[in-house]
Formats: sequence, C-alpha cells, structure tokens
Amino acid sequence: DAEITQSPRHKITETGRQVTLACHQTWNHNNMFWYRQDLGHGLRLIHYSYGVQDTNKGEVSDGYSVSRSNTEDLPLTLESAASSQTSVYFCASSAGTTGTEAFFGQGTRLTVV
Amino acid sequence: AQTVTQSQPEMSVQEAETVTLSCTYDTSENNYYLFWYKQPPSRQMILVIRQEAYKQQNATENRFSVNFQKAAKSFSLKISDSQLGDTAMYFCAYNAGNMLTFGGGTRLMVKP
Repeated sequence: DAEITQSPRHKITETGRQVTLACHQTWNHNNMFWYRQDLGHGLRLIHYSYGVQDTNKGEVSDGYSVSRSNTEDLPLTLESAASSQTSVYFCASSAGTTGTEAFFGQGTRLTVV
Repeated sequence: AQTVTQSQPEMSVQEAETVTLSCTYDTSENNYYLFWYKQPPSRQMILVIRQEAYKQQNATENRFSVNFQKAAKSFSLKISDSQLGDTAMYFCAYNAGNMLTFGGGTRLMVKP
C-alpha cells in the first residue's frame, strides 16, 4: 500500500543546531506540504512543492527551508533551531487536482531546548 | 487570503447523542472544497468528509454529515450517535488550488 512516512517521530535538539526532518511518500503525488501544529493555531503551512525542483513559502516559512530533488521526498530543514520552533510537524501529499484528499504522515514532535 | 475559523475550542457530548461542530471561512473564490479532518490521540490526520462548493447537496458519510451554507460561508459537522472512538481533535479545512488552510480545531470529548 502507498504511504507517507516521517522520521524521526520524536526529536530533541539544542538551540542553534541545524535539524532536518524527513518526509517520504510512495503515492507518486506531485504536491507535498509541510505544516506545523500548535495549540490554538491548527495546522499552519510552512513550505510546499508542486513538483521536482519546485518549492514555495507558506504562511510561517521564516527559519525553515525545503528542497525537492525527486518526487518521493521533501525534507524540512531548520537552519538554526529556536525554542519557538518547538512544535509537531506534519508532512502531507496530494495529487495535482484541486479538491483531492491530502494524505498525512504520522507527525514529528520536535523539542528545541 | 483565506481564513478558517472554528469558534469552539472544546466540546463534549454523551455517548449516543448528537453534536455539531461549527466552522466559518472567508474567501472570494466561487469554486472550492471544504473538508473535516479528525485527529485522534494517535496524531494521525484522517479525512472525515468532503464538500464541493458548487454542490448544493450536503455531504454525508455514515454518522457524519455537514450543513453547508455557501452564502453564509458556514460549514458545520454533525456527528450522530456519538461513539467513544469519536473523541478527537476535529479540523475544518478549506481548499482552492492545491493547498489546505486549516481552522484552529475543536477538541471533542465523548463521555460514556
């Protein structure tokens, strides 16, 4: 079965360190997204990609970067981790048609100390 | 920019009763989609129901149904015969183009 997986599930890091969260999907979807989930804010869009070599900034992109070198992967990098980036991060993918279901990974809980 | 508002941070309902979760949104688009996602304690995001804006008929999926009021930009979720397994966070989401915009969520507790 096709799936979307994130790793790691949990991570603790120190302020100032670079951190990369992995996202891998086997749906062969063109669209991939990174969201962060914080209490009271729901899920907010960080970055998204509509295909290989395409990346775009979302609502809360400061301090984050992504790259899309193949269809399956969209890693999220925190350039210099800050305590404000402590959150649960979700990766999602969808086919290229408006209104189609987005499939989500299991989430990564990141704690910056 | 589109915004999605869920005005009820927390709700509770007795098992077997019916509960309605509210959602309003703001958009200038005429063609779009609306979704309700469920997030149980496992953190997994699960699609509950989807509504296409150009369809007047309200979507239903078993015990879940929506009341879509396009002019009022309202999209509420009704859960009938609530079950303990319905305990979760529920997110309303808007989609025009390829990305989803989420509301802040409603935490639903189903009590035995």
